[in-house]
Amino acid sequence: AQSVTQLGSHVSVSEGALVLLRCNYSSSVPPYLFWYVQYPNQGLQLLLKYTSAATLVKGINGFEAEFKKSETSFHLTKPSAHMSDAAEYFCAVSPGSGNTGKLIFGQGTTLQVKP
Amino acid sequence: KAGVTQTPRYLIKTRGQQVTLSCSPISGHRSVSWYQQTPGQGLQFLFEYFSETQRNKGNFPGRFSGRQFSNSRSEMNVSTLELGDSALYLCASSEGTSLKVDTQYFGPGTRLTVL
Repeated sequence: AQSVTQLGSHVSVSEGALVLLRCNYSSSVPPYLFWYVQYPNQGLQLLLKYTSAATLVKGINGFEAEFKKSETSFHLTKPSAHMSDAAEYFCAVSPGSGNTGKLIFGQGTTLQVKP
Repeated sequence: KAGVTQTPRYLIKTRGQQVTLSCSPISGHRSVSWYQQTPGQGLQFLFEYFSETQRNKGNFPGRFSGRQFSNSRSEMNVSTLELGDSALYLCASSEGTSLKVDTQYFGPGTRLTVL
């Protein structure tokens, strides 16, 4: 069964520092992987998604993620953190190869950005 | 296009009551998925509807049900509410028609509090 593990429930960085949020997946088939962000009292906003077209995926707001099959990882990075990046981030995998309308989410990582 | 809308945004109920939540998908989207978000369990998939039919279902008791109308709007119902049903309920829509995995776009959620 597919699953997602996010290492670190809380990450704190200084403004301008590198952001690295870790996600490892377990999947028996080539996965579709997603990163979403959730600001307080809001729904989830898609940052980027991996669909096997390219291993380095660029998303919105300067975020990118690299799919590494050998490490079963899909870590999210941003070169320079902004205060506005403070939010909760979720990695998700779509089980199976077809469209099931189902996403399996990691437990989330709260990103704190210090001035 | 307008995004996914959910009504109401906030709801307070007492144990034993039932509740109905509504979701209007992005125009043209035919798939609607529902998720429950709690601090303890995180984001969990409830069910997905496509063309008025439940296409996929998560591991929730039968007290949780849903339906979809011909205009793709969806409702979910929770009967005999329990304290543990207090959560943020998120609705997501996607095109749902292709064999590949679609991107899901989330609404702002309905915050349900059960007293």
